[in-house]
Amino acid sequence: ETGVTQTPRHLVMGMTNKKSLKCEQHLGHNAMYWYKQSAKKPLELMFVYSLEERVENNSVPSRFSPECPNSSHLFLHLHTLQPEDSALYLCASSQDNLGYGEQFFGPGTRLTVL
Amino acid sequence: AQSVTQPDIHITVSEGASLELRCNYSYGATPYLFWYVQSPGQGLQLLLKYFSGDTLVQGIKGFEAEFKRSQSSFNLRKPSVHWSDAAEYFCAVGLNTGNQFYFGTGTSLTVIP
Repeated sequence: ETGVTQTPRHLVMGMTNKKSLKCEQHLGHNAMYWYKQSAKKPLELMFVYSLEERVENNSVPSRFSPECPNSSHLFLHLHTLQPEDSALYLCASSQDNLGYGEQFFGPGTRLTVL
Repeated sequence: AQSVTQPDIHITVSEGASLELRCNYSYGATPYLFWYVQSPGQGLQLLLKYFSGDTLVQGIKGFEAEFKRSQSSFNLRKPSVHWSDAAEYFCAVGLNTGNQFYFGTGTSLTVIP
């Protein structure tokens, strides 16, 4: 595997379920990101991790819980989501978390909350 | 507050025609500027970026963009569009404080034969 991979690619869950999204980067990068992409809205940066430490949390509801066990893996744990949380969730990585770095994106997980 | 504006939601061009996609940003200092492209079912791919220096930057797939400080703009151009360029295009800024990136709403490009 090369680049940034995300699993699953599609996920349907009920509002009372608990699920996790997984992201893995094979680029040796030190920074990883979670974005939410909704139709007709800008990509929203949710979380930033640098060297496995969370450095940014953009007022994301607590029903989204990130985890970064090492610099190659990033998880987004989901619980008691709302239908408005349905979106494409993109993971990205970059060499570091400085503003000039190119980000490499995974293909995303299409999440539907019923 | 920082923001990125892409005023054109959807653009249709004929194959072989020239293309310009507009992007304006709002930020107190000069940010780092990017253009990404997203094909259906794919993640975003970087086309080009501007940090400093020459205000005309060249990217992949024959794209270029020009930074105009006075207009707070970073428009993307291509002299001759190919059918494979049909995709969603996103302008983005990265702040020089790090840890913050802002994207526009995207411009959807359709290419007709």
